[in-house]
Order: sequence, then structure tokens, then C-alpha cells
Amino acid sequence: KAGVTQTPRYLIKTRGQQVTLSCSPISGHRSVSWYQQTPGQGLQFLFEYFSETQRNKGNFPGRFSGRQFSNSRSEMNVSTLELGDSALYLCASSLEGGSTDTQYFGPGTRLTVL
Amino acid sequence: SQKIEQNSEALNIQEGKTATLTCNYTNYSPAYLQWYRQDPGRGPVFLLLIRENEKEKRKERLKVTFDTTLKQSLFHITASQPADSATYLCALASRGSTLGRLYFGRGTQLTVWP
Repeated sequence: KAGVTQTPRYLIKTRGQQVTLSCSPISGHRSVSWYQQTPGQGLQFLFEYFSETQRNKGNFPGRFSGRQFSNSRSEMNVSTLELGDSALYLCASSLEGGSTDTQYFGPGTRLTVL
Repeated sequence: SQKIEQNSEALNIQEGKTATLTCNYTNYSPAYLQWYRQDPGRGPVFLLLIRENEKEKRKERLKVTFDTTLKQSLFHITASQPADSATYLCALASRGSTLGRLYFGRGTQLTVWP
């Protein structure tokens, strides 16, 4: 079974631009969660999608948004990029998003904002 | 405020010894606690899950304990090997905020030297 894939793997943007990241979950997984990882803050939860609906959301500004498609693939978008948005963005898929479901992480997208 | 603290940022031990990593939490009511391994440039990989009513869980050379009174989990790697060198993250699935959300500690970077 193929693992979680994320594209692109690396991205360089400038302040004020917007970016879209993509995540393809493991086949059969319906829940996709997104996390931001930085050296200072560690892994911080952004949001979770299940059956095309956002079910859970972390404490990030509205510039961070996402969506999920009918095939469970998910995208996240960051508008008006700031320097502090430079981070590794990870998506994780699980069967149902339950607390005992194992989350399988992708390799991440490394975003650098200049 | 809510906190998840992992004992130290870095732990160096000699091959063959037992590595013990600590995860302490405050102001959470975790239903489950999970441990992940993360290698540089990669997403976290699930290792073990322990429920609040379980005291101990084992998998090969790994052992996890969970003490809800002390609000602490210990993660042990016995007969450690250089290949065990990585960052280890603890993560909580908290009651009332499940649905694909895990709360992560910042991790402990373990180095096992020959």
C-alpha cells in the first residue's frame, strides 16, 4: 500500500504571496490532518478533514485554510505569506480520525518564505 | 496552561544501554498517549499507543509506561543501537478534542554512539 504523499516537497515563496500544498492519503483513509512543524513550536495542529468537511481546527489565523475532495485528497492554502510561516507542513491520514487511529504522516512540504 | 514536556532536547547514550525518555503533561486529560519516531527530513512514524487504563505496553525492544496520577509517560529502548538515533515525540489524544487532533511534545533527540 502506498504511503501518504505530499507535493511539492520544497517550496520557496516571498512575503505576501500565497501557496497551496497537496496531500494524498493512504487508500481507504478518510481523515486527513495537517500540522505545522517549526523548531520553536514543534508540531502544531492546523485542521482535520473527514468526508470533505472540516471537523476540527487549531489556533491558526484565517490565512490558513484547507479543503478535502471526494477522493479524500486534501489541500491546504496559506494566503498573504509571512516570514513566520516558514516551516515543515505535514499531513497525516488515518481511517476515521478517531483518537486510537494511528496517524500516518507524509514526508512533509518544506516551505521557506523570503 | 496546557503543556507537554519531554525531558530534554537531547539524550546521548552508548550502544547496548537502555534509553529512557520522559513525557510530562499538565492540564490535559488524555485518553491515549502515543509515541512517534522522526528522522531528519521525514514525517513522524508511529511506534506505540497506550491507553489511560494501561500501565505498560511493549513492542520488541520498546516499552512505554503511562501514569495518569503522575501525568507522565516513560519510553524505554532496551539494547539501544546506533540505528535508534532519531527524534522521539510523545503525543496525546485529549478527551473532547479528538477527531484527528494530536497534541505533540517538542521531542527528544536521541543519539546512540557505538
